Amino acid sequence: QKEVEQNSGPLSVPEGAIASLNCTYSDRGSQSFFWYRQYSGKSPELIMSIYSNGDKEDGRFTAQLNKASQYVSLLIRDSQPSDSATYLCAVNSNNQGGKLIFGQGTELSVKP
Amino acid sequence: DAGVIQSPRHEVTEMGQEVTLRCKPISGHDYLFWYRQTMMRGLELLIYFNNNVPIDDSGMPEDRFSAKMPNASFSTLKIQPSEPRDSAVYFCAGKRELNTEAFFGQGTRLTVV
Repeated sequence: QKEVEQNSGPLSVPEGAIASLNCTYSDRGSQSFFWYRQYSGKSPELIMSIYSNGDKEDGRFTAQLNKASQYVSLLIRDSQPSDSATYLCAVNSNNQGGKLIFGQGTELSVKP
Repeated sequence: DAGVIQSPRHEVTEMGQEVTLRCKPISGHDYLFWYRQTMMRGLELLIYFNNNVPIDDSGMPEDRFSAKMPNASFSTLKIQPSEPRDSAVYFCAGKRELNTEAFFGQGTRLTVV
């Protein structure tokens, strides 16, 4: 089992729709969770962090965390073509001395 | 702050040659990570340091790979000898504390021919 798993996609949504990206992780000792966005040919950039169960909203982005189910998700409301990128889920494991593990990434395409 | 600085940005080398990638982390960031990214394998963690000490190098693919962090402001990843399958983008990233987010450098695109 991979430590962090994401659907690779591609996920295609029309402009203005909600895009839903999902991630599961295996280490129950994980304490902090991040979503990164990576445009083609660029480095990953942080868009959301979440530490507690529940929802965290920042503009059009909402991160959701359920530690009991070992599940993290990212919702993008009112999707724009500029949101087209690969979204990477990252999990920080306290049990492993701060090791930061990434999922394979989900490619999102927002069609005008 | 200039962010995480990696050099070179691009490297083309012949099989068998030694390659050294360099990283200057953000000041005050106690953790430093080296990742390799390919289409097939995604973003793989190679090794990471805490306060200049290597914590986990289980992701280093072979003995041909080595990494050092002689001080808080500099790290190197060396491949000797390089092989075509080492071609990838190598990222350096750093974070301040145990549970904080990491910031990435611009990456080094390595091509081994």
